[in-house]
Amino acid sequence: EVQLVQSGAEVKKPGESLEISCKGSGYSFSNYWIGWVRQMPGKGLEWMGVIYPGDSDTRYSPSFQGQVTISADKSISTAYVQWNSLKASDTAIYYCARLTTATTRFDYWGQGTLVTVS
Amino acid sequence: NFMLTQPHSVSGSPGKTVTISCTRSSGSIASNSVQWYQQRPGSAPTTVIYENNQRPSGVPDRFSGSIDSSSNSASLTISGLKTEDEADYFCQSYHSSIHWVFGGGTKLTVL
Repeated sequence: EVQLVQSGAEVKKPGESLEISCKGSGYSFSNYWIGWVRQMPGKGLEWMGVIYPGDSDTRYSPSFQGQVTISADKSISTAYVQWNSLKASDTAIYYCARLTTATTRFDYWGQGTLVTVS
Repeated sequence: NFMLTQPHSVSGSPGKTVTISCTRSSGSIASNSVQWYQQRPGSAPTTVIYENNQRPSGVPDRFSGSIDSSSNSASLTISGLKTEDEADYFCQSYHSSIHWVFGGGTKLTVL
């Protein structure tokens, strides 16, 4: 069974750094792109970026380029998204999601990580 | 780039049928497949329709999807509405192989 399990909720202050994680299981983690999707309170879904764990090829949405860093450690089947200096506007739920092999859609989602910056 | 526009909300009574639209702003809706995700309160999205009209296993056949080139839109139709269908629904498409677009979401209320 494919599963993506994310790290727990975080409460941070503006200016602090943060890294949240997403551990995949039940499939070959290295061979599927993993994406990160933001959902601000009461709002829609926005893709932030994607990474191919096999070679760490990373692509960012123009809206998030320079704002976050996405990485992965294929040895432990885990992807990450990192902030160097959080802002109140980073308060959101962050989902990781696996892309299909055709990369046209997200087929499995993590449970989400709530990040509160206040 | 293009945008996908959805109505903010729709509603229907149990047993009735509702349709949620998703209009592509530029380029042909038929150019790239459309997916539909259901998001119940407090939960992650799940796929109810992929590749315009395909249902994942486990999704009831009350859910159907289509595209209409004349209106450049995709539609999600839910028939035989149940209270458990009350959720937010998001359409999603893509352009090039590394750029995904989500609609703004539609809140379905089952009255």
